[in-house]
Amino acid sequence: EAGVVQSPRYKIIEKKQPVAFWCNPISGHNTLYWYLQNLGQGPELLIRYENEEAVDDSQLPKDRFSAERLKGVDSTLKIQPAELGDSAVYLCASSRTAGNTIYFGEGSWLTVV
Amino acid sequence: AQSVTQLGSHVSVSEGALVLLRCNYSSSVPPYLFWYVQYPNQGLQLLLKYTSAATLVKGINGFEAEFKKSETSFHLTKPSAHMSDAAEYFCAVSEMDSSYKLIFGSGTRLLVRP
Repeated sequence: EAGVVQSPRYKIIEKKQPVAFWCNPISGHNTLYWYLQNLGQGPELLIRYENEEAVDDSQLPKDRFSAERLKGVDSTLKIQPAELGDSAVYLCASSRTAGNTIYFGEGSWLTVV
Repeated sequence: AQSVTQLGSHVSVSEGALVLLRCNYSSSVPPYLFWYVQYPNQGLQLLLKYTSAATLVKGINGFEAEFKKSETSFHLTKPSAHMSDAAEYFCAVSEMDSSYKLIFGSGTRLLVRP
């Protein structure tokens, strides 16, 4: 069974430029998460989807961040415009349903210069 | 509010020695507890989880953790460290309420000396 797939793995952009990350969860997993992991810290939840509905986006900085999961499968996280402080790892994760074990992808490593 | 404290940002052990990584939590209700491992340039992999069944939980790669309610602890142990255990380890808590949110500690980097 394939795991959570994320792309790109690494991205370097200049500040004020846009960037997008893509995630394909494990097949059959209805719940999808985006986490932010700053250097030397644990991951923090940005947004959680149940199928195509964002049920918890309280930690998503909505002035520059947006996310979508239009068909309840793949998801995209976008930052526009990027700031230097956005340099971090963006982790996508999924679970069969909320409350089940959460499986993480390898992350998208963003560097803003 | 839930929180997780991992004592020691870095732990160094000799190969073959006991590994002990400490985790204390605060939660208003009985929590679910997790240990994840992150190898360099990789995502997080679940090592083990406690979900109110047996207090001693066995995980992958020879790791285990014991839930101690009186001490609000969930320390991770392995009897004999291997070089391949060198990684970052994260403890996490979830109250399994409607939020199903995982709250992570800041992580402990395990170094294994030959």
